[in-house]
Amino acid sequence: SQQGEEDPQALSIQEGENATMNCSYKTSINNLQWYRQNSGRGLVHLILIRSNEREKHSGRLRVTLDTSKKSSSLLITASRAADTASYFCATDLGSNTGKLIFGQGTTLQVKP
Amino acid sequence: NAGVTQTPKFQVLKTGQSMTLQCAQDMNHEYMSWYRQDPGMGLRLIHYSVGAGITDQGEVPNGYNVSRSTTEDFPLRLLSAAPSQTSVYFCASSYTSKLAGHNEQFFGPGTRLTVL
Repeated sequence: SQQGEEDPQALSIQEGENATMNCSYKTSINNLQWYRQNSGRGLVHLILIRSNEREKHSGRLRVTLDTSKKSSSLLITASRAADTASYFCATDLGSNTGKLIFGQGTTLQVKP
Repeated sequence: NAGVTQTPKFQVLKTGQSMTLQCAQDMNHEYMSWYRQDPGMGLRLIHYSVGAGITDQGEVPNGYNVSRSTTEDFPLRLLSAAPSQTSVYFCASSYTSKLAGHNEQFFGPGTRLTVL
């Protein structure tokens, strides 16, 4: 199974509501990153949280990291229809491996 | 800056044919990687490179070769295409450091490959 696993796989909410996505991983990490992908496009970086950080904010995004539980969550507040996309977490396993491993993603639909 | 560019955007191959997917970046990033994206599978790492002359295998390397002769270019070669290689392929690059690890990855627009 993959290093990063996300839930839910799909999420549908109304505009203005908050959306929470979770990511769990198996091994120790250097940092964890969240990406967004609009349909048919490449991925765009949203936010990076390092292993020694517990929470990070960027605009309407809030990311938390719990290294003891090996999990992270992405919260999008006051969602908009334009937030409709797939969201992926990616784990950096450390500089020795040089690998960045992606989860399977959460598909978010925000209804106007 | 053009960022990460990929060519071609679309490609149709017959089983057994070979081809090279091109990837280039103009940000002087040491780290480059290739992913494939299949429905319901997320992105899976095929091969990656931590600098010119250095490549390594990812999660699903079979059937693919890479080389990194320059910092800018990281082509992906399909040796003998199979229908199982039908997918969308993304190239990405990033700056990394031993202390901080990976910074954000910049993705190309993708190549949609169909193998008949």
